[in-house]
Amino acid sequence: GAVVSQHPSWVICKSGTSVKIECRSLDFQATTMFWYRQFPKQSLMLMATSNEGSKATYEQGVEKDKFLINHASLTLSTLTVTSAHPEDSSFYICSARIGNEAFFGQGTRLTVV
Amino acid sequence: KQEVTQIPAALSVPEGENLVLNCSFTDSAIYNLQWFRQDPGKGLTSLLLIQSSQREQTSGRLNASLDKSSGRSTLYIAASQPGDSATYLCAVVVGAGKSTFGDGTTLTVKP
Repeated sequence: GAVVSQHPSWVICKSGTSVKIECRSLDFQATTMFWYRQFPKQSLMLMATSNEGSKATYEQGVEKDKFLINHASLTLSTLTVTSAHPEDSSFYICSARIGNEAFFGQGTRLTVV
Repeated sequence: KQEVTQIPAALSVPEGENLVLNCSFTDSAIYNLQWFRQDPGKGLTSLLLIQSSQREQTSGRLNASLDKSSGRSTLYIAASQPGDSATYLCAVVVGAGKSTFGDGTTLTVKP
């Protein structure tokens, strides 16, 4: 089956710094990837849709200047959390699309101290 | 806007019991529905994927059904084990691979 690899699986960073999370489709090309966020004891909420070669589409309430998404190739999308704040501590997970199916990465747990 | 609801929010059962988790969605125009397992602090493990044209899928002790017209899916777990303890999420794909998740059911299976 299709494999999506997300890296790192966990990261701790200091407030004010930026951290980049990678999402790779290992055995297929993905023109569209999705980024989700999960707050403690809550479900996953879609943050943005990442489109290869074009700007990402952000969901309402998600700050595009804070959560920078780059989808420069057909197998890689990156999410950069800029000027990280403790409130950004969360679980971030990506998925890649094949037709109408979604394949998920393992997720990244971000802790901002 | 698609909304996904999972009932119950939490469930505790003794080992060996059969159980059913419920998932309902408001818009029946889905492409597929997927059940996931999430262990504390971990990522998602895909359990079963049901295409919109299918009625059910089975994998080992797990059976998932889908009634698209009524907006319902169930996940049946037979002969539950303590290792089944986790949060179970259902998600529907509404188009172009975009998923909408329920809030999950946290299952505890007591030895």
